Amino acid sequence: DGGITQSPKYLFRKEGQNVTLSCEQNLNHDAMYWYRQDPGQGLRLIYYSQIVNDFQKGDIAEGYSVSREKKESFPLTVTSAQKNPTAFYLCASSYRGRSGGEQFFGPGTRLTVL
Amino acid sequence: AQSVSQHNHHVILSEAASLELGCNYSYGGTVNLFWYVQYPGQHLQLLLKYFSGDPLVKGIKGFEAEFIKSKFSFNLRKPSVQWSDTAEYFCAVKMNNNAGNMLTFGGGTRLMVKP
Repeated sequence: DGGITQSPKYLFRKEGQNVTLSCEQNLNHDAMYWYRQDPGQGLRLIYYSQIVNDFQKGDIAEGYSVSREKKESFPLTVTSAQKNPTAFYLCASSYRGRSGGEQFFGPGTRLTVL
Repeated sequence: AQSVSQHNHHVILSEAASLELGCNYSYGGTVNLFWYVQYPGQHLQLLLKYFSGDPLVKGIKGFEAEFIKSKFSFNLRKPSVQWSDTAEYFCAVKMNNNAGNMLTFGGGTRLMVKP
């Protein structure tokens, strides 16, 4: 089955620790995205990548980092510099170019900082 | 900056009531429009989309949305809701400004349908 997987589903972190969230897709999509979902604020874009070895900051990139070494994978690191990291994190992917913009989403990772 | 507004943050309806969720965006160019739904414990999934053509778009599970260009709106409707429609609904807009396939999302509307 084609789709997007995110792991782990739940993640607990102590303050001051970096943590990496996994996102893998087998949809052959070029573009991948990371969003943060907070109650009442919808989805806010953290980082996106339109092609391997290239990525750009979204609206709320501070305290986060990403890499895109493979087409299928787009891991997100939440660093200790992120002041309020407790949130639900969603990964998405899409085709590039004139595909209309439809994005496909993974099941999400809920990060809690203790 | 472009933005997407969903004015209803929480909506509570009884079964069989009609539903209309508002979505407005601020961008003067052409857009592609989406409604996504997030059922409790499930993935965010596409409900319907508008790219061009007939401004009245029909989606899954009896939902429809109407694009009114002059009002910069893309409201979601359903004539008769069911308990299973309880979910969070997100409007999203792709501004066709050659900035890739980025979507701007509204803040979401939590719908609760009472049986």
